[in-house]
Amino acid sequence: GAVVSQHPSRVICKSGTSVKIECRSLDFQATTMFWYRQFPKQSLMLMATSNEGSKATYEQGVEKDKFLINHASLTLSTLTVTSAHPEDSSFYICSARPSGQGTNTGELFFGEGSRLTVL
Amino acid sequence: GNSVTQMEGPVTLSEEAFLTINCTYTATGYPSLFWYVQYPGEGLQLLLKATKADDKGSNKGFEATYRKETTSFHLEKGSVQVSDSAVYFCALINTGGGNKLTFGTGTQLKVEL
Repeated sequence: GAVVSQHPSRVICKSGTSVKIECRSLDFQATTMFWYRQFPKQSLMLMATSNEGSKATYEQGVEKDKFLINHASLTLSTLTVTSAHPEDSSFYICSARPSGQGTNTGELFFGEGSRLTVL
Repeated sequence: GNSVTQMEGPVTLSEEAFLTINCTYTATGYPSLFWYVQYPGEGLQLLLKATKADDKGSNKGFEATYRKETTSFHLEKGSVQVSDSAVYFCALINTGGGNKLTFGTGTQLKVEL
């Protein structure tokens, strides 16, 4: 089956530094990838939609200058948390939609998630 | 806007017990409905789906029926196993929501011997 890999799975950083999280589709191409944030006992909150070769579309309330998203190839999207603060500590999850799949099928492939802890 | 409501967990069951995890939704139009499962240390995986009213999705012994009259998509399994221990997410997608998945909060299931 289709595999999506995130790296790193866990990262601890100091306040004020930047952290990059990678999301790779290992055996398929993905024109569109999604980034979510998950708080304890809460739902996955969609942060942004990442489209290969174009700017990401951010959800309302998500700071695009703080959460930089780059989707430079059909198999890789990156999320960079800039000037991280303790309140950015969370579980970040990416998902990918295989190229050519309909936009309303809802069948996405998810990474394992990356837990960010900002000290 | 779209929303999905799931029963709070954790749900703890003995092996071979019957499982129901309730899910109700609010959406305009005719959404497609999904159950995703997240096993420990892994990413979410699609478990089953239903794309129109009265459809029944099924996989690995799990079933859910799309009930438009009650706006529900409850997940059921007749006999759970320890290996079913995971977090289960109900979700929907429709064009009114910009073709984006809307998730419930997830329900943790623990199955004990």
